[in-house]
Amino acid sequence: EDQVTQSPEALRLQEGESSSLNCSYTVSGLRGLFWYRQDPGKGPEFLFTLYSAGEEKEKERLKATLTKKESFLHITAPKPEDSATYLCAVQARGGSYIPTFGRGTSLIVHP
Amino acid sequence: EAGVTQFPSHSVIEKGQTVTLRCDPISGHDNLYWYRRVMGKEIKFLLHFVKESKQDESGMPNNRFLAERTGGTYSTLKVQPAELEDSGVYFCASSQLRTGELFFGEGSRLTVL
Repeated sequence: EDQVTQSPEALRLQEGESSSLNCSYTVSGLRGLFWYRQDPGKGPEFLFTLYSAGEEKEKERLKATLTKKESFLHITAPKPEDSATYLCAVQARGGSYIPTFGRGTSLIVHP
Repeated sequence: EAGVTQFPSHSVIEKGQTVTLRCDPISGHDNLYWYRRVMGKEIKFLLHFVKESKQDESGMPNNRFLAERTGGTYSTLKVQPAELEDSGVYFCASSQLRTGELFFGEGSRLTVL
């Protein structure tokens, strides 16, 4: 069974204080790893797809990286508007291709 | 372009009652998914439609849950009779291709008293 574990569960940062979120996964052949952002009362919003170890994707202050066992979401010089829950999901090769989600990391950035 | 819309946004019902949630996917998206998030837990898969056909309903908790997708357009998820443990946020998502890049609605929060 595919498993996704995210850490930490919650993270508080000061504005400008860079940090990383972790997503560890167990899957029988990775087809894709996905990062989402979820604001309170909203649905998850897609951010990135990573397909193979060594791959990196960037968007504004966010950079996602991938190894064979985990992914990191690096947040550089965060701003209060980056406050949200960040979700990681994996999709396995074969089978039904249904994405499996982790519990997320709740990020709060203080001004 | 309109996103995924869900209705109602919040429903409060008594145990034993029936509730029907509706999802309108993005036009042209053949793939439609239902997920559920119970407080403190991860978003869990319920079922997947391709057009009007159920491709995978392995995540449906039990036979009190019934999902339909009429004509490959909107979908409904009926819970009958509702139990306390059915409380949570029900998300609908759609995609054009069978990838992990899903477009989510804002969710329907269900509270069963």
